[in-house]
Amino acid sequence: QVQLVESGGGLVKPGGSLRLSCEASGFTFSDYYMSWVRQAPGKGLEWVSYISSGSSFTDYADSVKGRFTISRDDAKNSLYLQMNSLRAEDTAVYYCARVVDVWGKGTTVTVSS
Amino acid sequence: QSVLTQPPSLSAAPGQKVTISCSGGSSNIGNNYVSWYLQVPGTAPKLLIYANNKRPSGIPDRFSGSKSGTSATLGITGLQTGDEADYYCGAWDSSLSAGVFGGGTKLTVL
Repeated sequence: QVQLVESGGGLVKPGGSLRLSCEASGFTFSDYYMSWVRQAPGKGLEWVSYISSGSSFTDYADSVKGRFTISRDDAKNSLYLQMNSLRAEDTAVYYCARVVDVWGKGTTVTVSS
Repeated sequence: QSVLTQPPSLSAAPGQKVTISCSGGSSNIGNNYVSWYLQVPGTAPKLLIYANNKRPSGIPDRFSGSKSGTSATLGITGLQTGDEADYYCGAWDSSLSAGVFGGGTKLTVL
């Protein structure tokens, strides 16, 4: 069945880096736009970034622009989010999502000293 | 402050109908598709409605979506206790070049 599985979350100090991964299965990954959405503790959903099929187009929320980079490897059916210069306000559950219909279970990122 | 505006909470009795509103602007709801998601706390969001009013397979027809101008509405009929969850609307915002969500509506079925 269609499935997205995130990994790579954890505890990191402010200013540190983390790379999230999302492995897709059950569909032709290369055909789809993909995105990352996050949810801070007790808060609502916040769109973070998207990447088009073929990696031609990407875009980012202003809150992460210049610090986060989205990428994909269609040969590995995988989506990535490189997060640099992390801040406390980046603490959240990060969801990988196929635009707009399938979501992973999420991976937790905690930025704290 | 979310770009899309939803009521923070709603409550209704089992068997009743409820509507959840989502208000935006011309750069998002007015000119782009709206999606609706259900999220039980502690779990991932689940798509209920896409392209304003289409249901994915497996979503019962108790759930419906509509859009008029810069506002969208999610309707739920025959409320069940299992419908208690947070509901979010989402859309693309052409001016921001970003996805946007509403702040979420907590639905209580009592």
